[in-house]
Amino acid sequence: DAKTTQPTSMDCAEGRAANLPCNHSTISGNEYVYWYRQIHSQGPQYIIHGLKNNETNEMASLIITEDRKSSTLILPHATLRDTAVYYCIVRATGANNLFFGTGTRLTVIP
Amino acid sequence: DAGITQSPRHKVTETGTPVTLRCHQTENHRYMYWYRQDPGHGLRLIHYSYGVKDTDKGEVSDGYSVSRSKTEDFLLTLESATSSQTSVYFCAISVDLRETQYFGPGTRLLVL
Repeated sequence: DAKTTQPTSMDCAEGRAANLPCNHSTISGNEYVYWYRQIHSQGPQYIIHGLKNNETNEMASLIITEDRKSSTLILPHATLRDTAVYYCIVRATGANNLFFGTGTRLTVIP
Repeated sequence: DAGITQSPRHKVTETGTPVTLRCHQTENHRYMYWYRQDPGHGLRLIHYSYGVKDTDKGEVSDGYSVSRSKTEDFLLTLESATSSQTSVYFCAISVDLRETQYFGPGTRLLVL
């Protein structure tokens, strides 16, 4: 699986959009981009995933660049409950494992 | 949230004792996984199961065994716990290998 690079930490004001970047320059054609988050002491929570196209669900939007070498997770209106570590994961179709790196610690500030 | 429970949620045990952790799902998903999470290592796959009685090793399987006698239950056993197995253990499930994995709440294990 391709490695990902994320900033160690970010702050975001409550109510504003949180934009979390991820670099995955070695991604292969059959690898998806997944985003999970982990709130302190809880299990990882699935957020969204995509292959080529931008994706949106009730939690977030995922923007993938045309060359697929980077992506951005957007939380449109961050709340205090969005404070968590966010993991960007690149996963090949059929891979049994998820490689969680160190992620980005997002702190939403009142 | 996916219907996944883990028990116990917290356990303290002594070196050399056997420990069994249970993962229970109500989603009827075929695949189940055990991960451990340690500072500086992220989550690492221990074992996974692709059906009743069908299991395979993951990245860090030494010292662990698993069993799956029913679709809904996946057991992780530490035959003789060591201090290096102090960790947070997460169970995950998925419909199949290509689908999203959903995680349980975790079990905190301390081996003294």
